[in-house]
Amino acid sequence: EDQVTQSPEALRLQEGESSSLNCSYTVSGLRGLFWYRQDPGKGPEFLFTLYSAGEEKEKERLKATLTKKESFLHITAPKPEDSATYLCAVYSGGGADGLTFGKGTHLIIQP
Amino acid sequence: AAGVIQSPRHLIKEKRETATLKCYPIPRHDTVYWYQQGPGQDPQFLISFYEKMQSDKGSIPDRFSAQQFSDYHSELNMSSLELGDSALYFCASSTSRDPTASYEQYFGPGTRLTVT
Repeated sequence: EDQVTQSPEALRLQEGESSSLNCSYTVSGLRGLFWYRQDPGKGPEFLFTLYSAGEEKEKERLKATLTKKESFLHITAPKPEDSATYLCAVYSGGGADGLTFGKGTHLIIQP
Repeated sequence: AAGVIQSPRHLIKEKRETATLKCYPIPRHDTVYWYQQGPGQDPQFLISFYEKMQSDKGSIPDRFSAQQFSDYHSELNMSSLELGDSALYFCASSTSRDPTASYEQYFGPGTRLTVT
């Protein structure tokens, strides 16, 4: 059974204070690891897909990296509008279509 | 760019009633997924359809059923509603035709179902 663990559960940063969110995963065969941003009461917003260890993707202040056991979402010089819950999910295929999500990291950026 | 459309956005039902949620995938997407997200929880996969046929089932109760129609829109039918069914229901879609976007699922805004 696929498992995804995210840490920390919550993180409070000052504006401009860079940090990283962690996503550890256990899957039988990783087909893809996904990062989503979710605002309260809204649908997850797609950020990145990572397919193989060593891969990196960047978008504005966010950078996602992947190893064989975990992924990091680095946030550089965050702004208050980056406040959200960041979800990590994996897809392993094997006949199962659904993504397996972690519990998320609730990120708060204070001005 | 066009996104996934869900309707209604909010729905209030009483116990034992039925509800129907609709999902319109991104144009040219051929796969639809349904997820349930309880308060403070991560999304849980319910069911998926590929080219109008059921592809996979997750933790979907027997009281729920779904289908995908010829225009690729999907409907989630929920019967004998229980208080515990109160949640956000998301639809997501993906395409099998773009190898650069393999397995990427794009979510709709969700339907908030409240069962009283």
